[in-house]
Order: sequence, then structure tokens, then C-alpha cells
Amino acid sequence: QSALTQPASVSGSPRQSITISCTGTSRDVGAYRLVSWYQQHPRKAPKLIISEDRKRPSGVSNRFSGSKSGNTAYLTVSGLQAEDEADYYCCSYAGSDTWVFGTGTKLTVL
Amino acid sequence: QVQVMEFGGDVVQPGGSLRLSCVTSGFTFGDYNMHWVRQSPGKGLQWVSFLRWDGREESYADSLKGRVTVSRDNSQNTLYLHMYNLRPEDTAVYFCARDGGDKTYSFDSWGQGTLVTVSS
Repeated sequence: QSALTQPASVSGSPRQSITISCTGTSRDVGAYRLVSWYQQHPRKAPKLIISEDRKRPSGVSNRFSGSKSGNTAYLTVSGLQAEDEADYYCCSYAGSDTWVFGTGTKLTVL
Repeated sequence: QVQVMEFGGDVVQPGGSLRLSCVTSGFTFGDYNMHWVRQSPGKGLQWVSFLRWDGREESYADSLKGRVTVSRDNSQNTLYLHMYNLRPEDTAVYFCARDGGDKTYSFDSWGQGTLVTVSS
């Protein structure tokens, strides 16, 4: 159950796009179409923004999109806004009713 | 609307025990699988435990196996986490999260968390 690998930080200017990677293994990210992404503002609970690799829950902005290639999943945030500044975590189902989170990425909007 | 609220966080000495509660409302609790997730101060999220809707299947992160037990009372819409032999590295905010269901294997509703501090 090793944590998935994410970059510690990414940044972008308003209206630009950024992509956050999430690298796992063939036993988790690469094994299932079950990567989810969470946004967490300081001192707040995480919020689900992507499930099943690429599905957006109702109410989540379409500026957030998910994709995957092999053992690496990606979260793209387009049209950056100040309110997008937060920590982002990926999470993958890892089989046998276990889950593993990513190391987390701090997004800074310049 | 869906509400999830955790209780029971406290300061505990190393080797001590604690029971956390997660009280829910706004949905049919007995229809949903539930999870515990924790976050050490200034650190990332770590999945802790899963419990199936009927309480008959449970799972734990390797680092906590043998020291935690998850349970639920569907008549009280409440999830529990029993923690034993606590260590300083168990210091964290513990979140309760509802499984998204429909085989999404995600966490779609979260509480605000309860802080557990293990210190002498």
C-alpha cells in the first residue's frame, strides 16, 4: 500500500490550464478504472471532483477533467480561477477492498 | 441534504484506546458502504478502513491492522472506529466518508473530521 506519486506543487496563471499527474502501479491505477480526485481547501474536508478516472459528479465544474494512460492518471484544470487554489489528491482502488491515496499536490494560482 | 459528522477525538497517551463516532443524516445509511480516512498534521490523506453496508465485510490499511476495528449501527445511522494501542504517529484528523456507491469506489461525502492527538 505505497502512496501514489504526485508532484508536490504546480502553479499557473488565471485562465491558463494545468495538469497534475498521479503515478501508481499495475496493481492499483493500472488495474482498475477507479481513480478518483479530491480538492481540499485549507482546514476543510476533501471534496470529490472526479470518479472512475474521468467522471464528474453533479455540480462539479466542467473545468475539471480526468484521464489516464497506463499506470498514470491525470487531472486537468482549465481556465484557472483563484478559487481553484487548493490541495489535490488522487486515490485509486487497489483491490481486496483497499484504497490508496496520492501524496498530494498544492496548486497555486499566480 | 447529506450530513456526516465525526465525534470522539481527544488527547490520548501512547498505548491508549479511543472510539470515534460518525453520525450521519440525509440518506439511507444502511444502503451505503462507509470509510475512515485520516490526515496527519500538514500531511496527505491516508485511507484507514472500509465497512460494507451490512457490516459483514471490513478492511484496513496495513499500518493499522490489528489496532483498529470498524463497526456500524444502521439503526442509529452511525459508524464507529475503535482504536487501540495508539502511537504518536496515529495523531491525525480522522474523517468519515460515504462511499459513492454504484461501484464508483470513491468517497462522495465527507465530515469535517475529528482530531486525535497521541501524546504523553
